[in-house]
Amino acid sequence: AIRMTQSPSSFSASTGDRVTITCRASQGISSYLAWYQQKPGKAPKLLIYAASTLQSGVPSRFSGSGSGTDFTLTISCLQSEDFATYYCQQYYSYPSTFGGGTKVEIK
Amino acid sequence: QVQLVQSGAEVKKPGSSVKVSCKASGGTFSSYAISWVRQAPGQGLEWMGGIIPIFGTANYAQKFQGRVTITTDESTSTAYMELSSLRSEDTAVYYCARAVGSSSWFDAFDIWGQGTMVTVSS
Repeated sequence: AIRMTQSPSSFSASTGDRVTITCRASQGISSYLAWYQQKPGKAPKLLIYAASTLQSGVPSRFSGSGSGTDFTLTISCLQSEDFATYYCQQYYSYPSTFGGGTKVEIK
Repeated sequence: QVQLVQSGAEVKKPGSSVKVSCKASGGTFSSYAISWVRQAPGQGLEWMGGIIPIFGTANYAQKFQGRVTITTDESTSTAYMELSSLRSEDTAVYYCARAVGSSSWFDAFDIWGQGTMVTVSS
């Protein structure tokens, strides 16, 4: 199975900050990568798919980039509602696998 | 808008089985893959398997092969996930999720059910 490694696992940030989360695949996955946001007690919410395509209804402050093995999720101006845990997912091959998550906390 | 509504929380004994349902409403059901993803308490997301209703064939993660069965009932737009030989490590929230693209086996998930808590305890 393809291993997805996210970094950092957690960090603190302030409203208005620009934040970047990275995800590395153990082998090339082209652009078959998605990013999700999850809040406590809720189902994950799709933010980005195909590495850089913004899901309908997701604010434009979220963006994704990368291909092959290295990917990033950027939040250009962190808002209070963005404090959550973020996961990357590869869907290049079975089994689909997720990163371990990055928790974004309030500084 | 398509919604996925899952069945309620379950408490099961070790060694028993659980069957969770996921009913789709408000849109097309048969041509979109439905996957099952679980999340143990405080842990990350784990894909278990998926099915495209019109094809009827399911794919499973090797970790769950032989213990999990994913089926659908197109007449009621409902998907099911049955997990057998339950152990304490199976305690988790189980989600169903729909693929972004029609007839796409390899895809992100844009619509999720609300989750079903399954607790395995003696």
